[in-house]
Amino acid sequence: AQTVTQSQPEMSVQEAETVTLSCTYDTSENNYYLFWYKQPPSRQMILVIRQEAYKQQNATENRFSVNFQKAAKSFSLKISDSQLGDTAMYFCAFMKYGGSQGNLIFGKGTKLSVKP
Amino acid sequence: DAGVTQSPTHLIKTRGQQVTLRCSPISGHKSVSWYQQVLGQGPQFIFQYYEKEERGRGNFPDRFSARQFPNYSSELNVNALLLGDSALYLCASSWESGGRTEAFFGQGTRLTVV
Repeated sequence: AQTVTQSQPEMSVQEAETVTLSCTYDTSENNYYLFWYKQPPSRQMILVIRQEAYKQQNATENRFSVNFQKAAKSFSLKISDSQLGDTAMYFCAFMKYGGSQGNLIFGKGTKLSVKP
Repeated sequence: DAGVTQSPTHLIKTRGQQVTLRCSPISGHKSVSWYQQVLGQGPQFIFQYYEKEERGRGNFPDRFSARQFPNYSSELNVNALLLGDSALYLCASSWESGGRTEAFFGQGTRLTVV
């Protein structure tokens, strides 16, 4: 069975600074997807960034980038130039590649507070 | 374009009652998944439906059931409610079932069991 672990329950960062959220996972699969989702107080889960395990290049989306270390089963999220709107719960998630079923396995989340 | 819509947004039920939650996927999306998010935890997978067939089931008791209709909307039913069923129930839709396309989430239904 796959598991996802986020070891930082809460983090805070000053506006405009950089913060890194940690995620480790356990799987015997070779091909899979990894995701970071953001959940603001509005409750809606929003996809921040996605990484396919067979791609060695780390994914980037504007101010968001990941450090994907497949051998170490580590998938951290770096947020640059933090903004007040980045305040939210952040969830790391895993999904097996291919097949007919596409369910996400989530970590417990990290609560990020961006301070002015 | 309308996103994933869930109804109701909030509801309160008594232990032992039954509840039905509804989800309308994004137009054109054929896969719907349901997740339970207990306060302070990450979402847990309950069911996935694709083209009206069950494609996956998480580790939930038989009190939980779901179905998908010809228009791809979905209902989640929970019977014999327990206090521990109090949670945010999230619906996610995607164009296909295998994860190759992005899953979009609704804003959830907050269920409180008293």
